[in-house]
Amino acid sequence: EIVLTQSPATLSLSPGERATLSCRASQSVSSYLAWYQQKPGQAPRLLIYDASNRATGIPGRFSGSGSGTDFTLTISSLEPEDFAVYYCQQRSNWPYTFGQGTKLEIK
Amino acid sequence: EVQLVESGGGLVQPGGSLRLSCAASGFTFSSYWMTWVRQAPGKGLEWVANIKEDGSEKYYVDSLKGRFTISRDNAKNSLYLQMNSLRAEDTAVYYCARDIGPGIGDNWGQGTLVTVSS
Repeated sequence: EIVLTQSPATLSLSPGERATLSCRASQSVSSYLAWYQQKPGQAPRLLIYDASNRATGIPGRFSGSGSGTDFTLTISSLEPEDFAVYYCQQRSNWPYTFGQGTKLEIK
Repeated sequence: EVQLVESGGGLVQPGGSLRLSCAASGFTFSSYWMTWVRQAPGKGLEWVANIKEDGSEKYYVDSLKGRFTISRDNAKNSLYLQMNSLRAEDTAVYYCARDIGPGIGDNWGQGTLVTVSS
């Protein structure tokens, strides 16, 4: 099973700042990595798939990069609604697995 | 608009069974893989099972094999998860999702809570 490790566990930033979230895989997942956002009491929302493709309706301030074992989700300028938990997820090998999440909180 | 509505959750005793349903609308259900993902209270996400468009392929996370069965009825635009021999550690919110990958959940239901407790 591929283990995804996200860092940091918690990121404290202010609106308008740039956020950089990391996800490292225990073995190569090629570009088969997605990012999801989850707010309290809500279902996850797909942001990025296959490392760098924005999902339908996702604002341009969200971008993804990386391949192999190291991936990054960048939010260029934080909006108040961006404070949430973010998960990475791989679909390279079954079972598909998620990282443990990064909580993005308001500083 | 894509809509996914789960139902069937509730309180069940250890060893019991439950069948979850997911009603899909707003897209051609028979053209997509479908997925169940669960989230234990206060914990992260776990990808539980996948089923191919025509039901011919099914995949389960190893820890659930033999206890859970994913199925679908394309005529009814519905996805199911039959859960048997339930354990306390199966307590979670269960989400169904449309899968555009396979392995990419692009639309999710609101989830249904399953509580396994005596």
